[in-house]
Amino acid sequence: EAQVTQNPRYLITVTGKKLTVTCSQNMNHEYMSWYRQDPGLGLRQIYYSMNVEVTDKGDVPEGYKVSRKEKRNFPLILESPSPNQTSLYFCASSYQPPTNEQFFGPGTRLTVL
Amino acid sequence: AQTVTQSQPEMSVQEAETVTLSCTYDTSENNYYLFWYKQPPSRQMILVIRQEAYKQQNATENRFSVNFQKAAKSFSLKISDSQLGDTAMYFCAFVNNDMRFGAGTRLTVKP
Repeated sequence: EAQVTQNPRYLITVTGKKLTVTCSQNMNHEYMSWYRQDPGLGLRQIYYSMNVEVTDKGDVPEGYKVSRKEKRNFPLILESPSPNQTSLYFCASSYQPPTNEQFFGPGTRLTVL
Repeated sequence: AQTVTQSQPEMSVQEAETVTLSCTYDTSENNYYLFWYKQPPSRQMILVIRQEAYKQQNATENRFSVNFQKAAKSFSLKISDSQLGDTAMYFCAFVNNDMRFGAGTRLTVKP
């Protein structure tokens, strides 16, 4: 089954404790992206990747890191999480360019205390 | 930078009736793509419809259609014969190299 998977689905953590949210897709998509969703703001792009070893900042990259060492995986890293990073996070993938439909993961609900 | 505006935070419609959700965007690009995504309570993001800016013909998908006005930078979504399963958040999105979403419209279909 073609899908984008994210783990964990829910996470409660404390300020400053490094965490990684994994994202994996099995559709051989070149383009992958991370978004955060906050009430009243819609989805905002954090980082995107056009292909392996190619990443670019989106609208709200501060406080986040990503890497794209393999085509299928695109982890999101929070080196020192803060309460303002409490949000719902989505990973998505598509064929290059992203003008095709993006396939979204199920979302990760992160709470930083 | 591109911006996407959805001016209706919430809307409601009676089952079987028609509703239109509005979306405007701002860009200096000529080639781009526009999308409507649906997010039901399950939180899953589901593509509703896609429009290519170079195509004048409005996209349609069953009960869903758009009114794309390129000069006015407007991209509204019309849902005909509304069903209870259409209850969801609806996001308008603009794509060039990156992707910009509007803030969303929460649609409730009432029985």
